[in-house]
Amino acid sequence: RKEVEQDPGPFNVPEGATVAFNCTYSNSASQSFFWYRQDCRKEPKLLMSVYSSGNEDGRFTAQLNRASQYISLLIRDSKLSDSATYLCVVTKNSGGSNYKLTFGKGTLLTVNP
Amino acid sequence: SAVISQKPSRDICQRGTSLTIQCQVDSQVTMMFWYRQQPGQSLTLIATANQGSEATYESGFVIDKFPISRPNLTFSTLTVSNMSPEDSSIYLCSVGPSGIGELFFGEGSRLTVL
Repeated sequence: RKEVEQDPGPFNVPEGATVAFNCTYSNSASQSFFWYRQDCRKEPKLLMSVYSSGNEDGRFTAQLNRASQYISLLIRDSKLSDSATYLCVVTKNSGGSNYKLTFGKGTLLTVNP
Repeated sequence: SAVISQKPSRDICQRGTSLTIQCQVDSQVTMMFWYRQQPGQSLTLIATANQGSEATYESGFVIDKFPISRPNLTFSTLTVSNMSPEDSSIYLCSVGPSGIGELFFGEGSRLTVL
């Protein structure tokens, strides 16, 4: 089983739609969780952190279920500018104060007019 | 935040040659990270570069193939040695100055090996 697995996509949705991405991780010792966004031919950028209590930032909501080792990202009222690849990221301690980030393969979202 | 300049942005190289990628950060950071992103694949950590010590390589990556320099707290280089077409990829430099999870990436170096 891969360390981080995501919906393979691609997702094609109309503007205004609600879309949800799922991610599972295999290491129960994982400590922190994030969603990154990567635009075409660009570098990844942090979108938001994911907490057990949930995290909402405008149209974006991230959820973590530690028992199921599952992370989700919900995008409401999709905009054309939301078109990108969304990367699920999991961290674990790699010794001392160092952490290792493991990236999922990403889910491609295309929002259509 | 951190601003990272990476160069070259892209290059086309011949099999058997080597290419050195440079990464410059606008602030001092303890650790710099080198990632590879192959087409359709996730980002894979190659190594962690610490100033003043040897880089720490991840499983599947060795110093002879990917030598790294870290001469100071704002600069690092990654060399891809004796390249083959399988090395065609995007190579990304990153730093995480503000704690776990939030990495800032350079724009990447897109390498094509013929």
